[in-house]
Amino acid sequence: NAGVIQTPRHKVTGKGQEATLWCEPISGHSAVFWYRQTIVQGLEFLTYFRNQAPIDDSGMPKERFSAQMPNQSHSTLKIQSTQPQDSAVYLCASSGDSQNTLYFGAGTRLSVL
Amino acid sequence: QQKVQQSPESLSVPEGGMASLNCTSSDRNFQYFWWYRQHSGEGPKALMSIFSDGDKKEGRFTAHLNKASLHVSLHIRDSQPSDSALYFCAASRPGYQNFYFGKGTSLTVIP
Repeated sequence: NAGVIQTPRHKVTGKGQEATLWCEPISGHSAVFWYRQTIVQGLEFLTYFRNQAPIDDSGMPKERFSAQMPNQSHSTLKIQSTQPQDSAVYLCASSGDSQNTLYFGAGTRLSVL
Repeated sequence: QQKVQQSPESLSVPEGGMASLNCTSSDRNFQYFWWYRQHSGEGPKALMSIFSDGDKKEGRFTAHLNKASLHVSLHIRDSQPSDSALYFCAASRPGYQNFYFGKGTSLTVIP
């Protein structure tokens, strides 16, 4: 079991460019979560899917951010027209045990110049 | 508004000492609590969960929950340098899989 895999580990974009972040959850896990981590805000919930269906996207900025889960083996977080304030570590987690324990990937560090 | 608050922001303890971390919630719907630990360059990893009032012990780690005051704490005895990390408290509501995290407590164990 390789755990949750996130790619790329680091991404640098110019202001206004698009960034797509990828997440491969643990096989058999039914829920996938996206969080954003910054020093100032800590871990912020963005969105989550259960059995590939979007359940709660209340943490997603309404413009420019979108998430999809086209199949059970991967999810993507897309940020259009990236801004410097989008710079953060984006963490994906999956859950599938009875206690809903989150298993996090190592994260993607996004730097917007 | 931060739904989960942690204190202190940072903490230093000598090797072999006791570290005590605190977490309070402003949402009475939260019933389930977890502690996660994050080492530099890694994602957070679950340490332990606590769902009932009282203490729960796992090795050197003891969590305490008081639902009436919405307070949960984590105590680490015989702290080791490898315990140096960022510790997060997380909470969720019954029927929801969504988790809310505090901003974390940075623990440094001094050899």
